[in-house]
Amino acid sequence: AQTVTQSQPEMSVQEAETVTLSCTYDTSENNYYLFWYKQPPSRQMILVIRQEAYKQQNATENRFSVNFQKAAKSFSLKISDSQLGDTAMYFCASHTGTASKLTFGTGTRLQVTL
Amino acid sequence: EPEVTQTPSHQVTQMGQEVILRCVPISNHLYFYWYRQILGQKVEFLVSFYNNEISEKSEIFDDQFSVERPDGSNFTLKIRSTKLEDSAMYFCASSGSLAGAVGERETQYFGPGTRLLVL
Repeated sequence: AQTVTQSQPEMSVQEAETVTLSCTYDTSENNYYLFWYKQPPSRQMILVIRQEAYKQQNATENRFSVNFQKAAKSFSLKISDSQLGDTAMYFCASHTGTASKLTFGTGTRLQVTL
Repeated sequence: EPEVTQTPSHQVTQMGQEVILRCVPISNHLYFYWYRQILGQKVEFLVSFYNNEISEKSEIFDDQFSVERPDGSNFTLKIRSTKLEDSAMYFCASSGSLAGAVGERETQYFGPGTRLLVL
């Protein structure tokens, strides 16, 4: 079974600072995708960023970037210049092989403070 | 930008009643999914649907659950006889198009969810 682990239940960062959220995963597949989703208090699930396992280059989307370490099966999310609107739960998820489902981690609650 | 929509946003029902949750996936998407999230817990996969049939389902998706695509736009989740433990947020998601760019099938876009409360 695929597993995704987020070891930080809660994190806090000051506005304009940088924060990194950790995620590790376990898969025996070679072909897989990794995602970060944001869930604000409204509870909507918003796609933040995607990483293809076959790509060595780390994905970036504006202030969001990942550090993808394939050998270590690590996939962390870096948020630069944090904003109050970044306050949310962040879920790491994997999609592996021919399966259709996403497997989610337990989430990290991020609080951005003034 | 196209988005997944879900109705109703909130539903309160009595235990044993049937509920139907509705979703309109992104219009050119081919793959459809239901997930649920019990309050304070992680998101769990229920079922995926492609080409008018279920392609994968989890152990949660038992005989009380069914899915249907009754027309070209809607995708529904029915719970036949609700239980207290069915109280959760239910998310619909969709992915993949005929154009089939790399990674498109795997990248799922979620609706805003339906909050179901079973009393």
